[in-house]
Amino acid sequence: DSGVTQTPKHLITATGQRVTLRCSPRSGDLSVYWYQQSLDQGLQFLIQYYNGEERAKGNILERFSAQQFPDLHSELNLSSLELGDSALYFCASSVEPSPRNEQFFGPGTRLTVL
Amino acid sequence: AQSVTQPDIHITVSEGASLELRCNYSYGATPYLFWYVQSPGQGLQLLLKYFSGDTLVQGIKGFEAEFKRSQSSFNLRKPSVHWSDAAEYFCAVGMNYGGSQGNLIFGKGTKLSVKP
Repeated sequence: DSGVTQTPKHLITATGQRVTLRCSPRSGDLSVYWYQQSLDQGLQFLIQYYNGEERAKGNILERFSAQQFPDLHSELNLSSLELGDSALYFCASSVEPSPRNEQFFGPGTRLTVL
Repeated sequence: AQSVTQPDIHITVSEGASLELRCNYSYGATPYLFWYVQSPGQGLQLLLKYFSGDTLVQGIKGFEAEFKRSQSSFNLRKPSVHWSDAAEYFCAVGMNYGGSQGNLIFGKGTKLSVKP
């Protein structure tokens, strides 16, 4: 158990819909990262937050957005869903945004868009 | 651009045999290198990391990796594989400058199967 929790575990929805994925970081971690794992693209960094502020964006679509709340949990919002958005979405956390700090990964949310 | 290449998509080894998983990276600065393992239905677990110093690093579960700057490689090894090592293995480089500090760039992964 990494200490990072993600809900829900599974999500099945239809094209055009909007969903919210939730992540609670490990106690004491201020940085949260979101990654997408798909068969064709592999594991890709989406977005990073540090202590409530957005720090960096990766290959995140404009239909996707995220935020980190004062209690440090984070939510990833995916809207106007397409079939290609079906993937495993991971959240990770670390103490600070430095590669010297280990990132601890949650179990992921598997999103299926039908 | 930064990238990580894992040339082997799938490897099968016999239980008790040695293992080497290949990883090559492209990164302009001194790389921070990682190996993660993902068991079916699980998140990623860190096996080991390299920042500087001794180029041979030891990790959990009996794994080790060797950093070779001249070859831009960070190959993962294990002398004797156990059936429980069957999983997918990811090599990653950590961004260590600018606003992208901390982000990980992953290879496509190598799936390891273990024959009894």
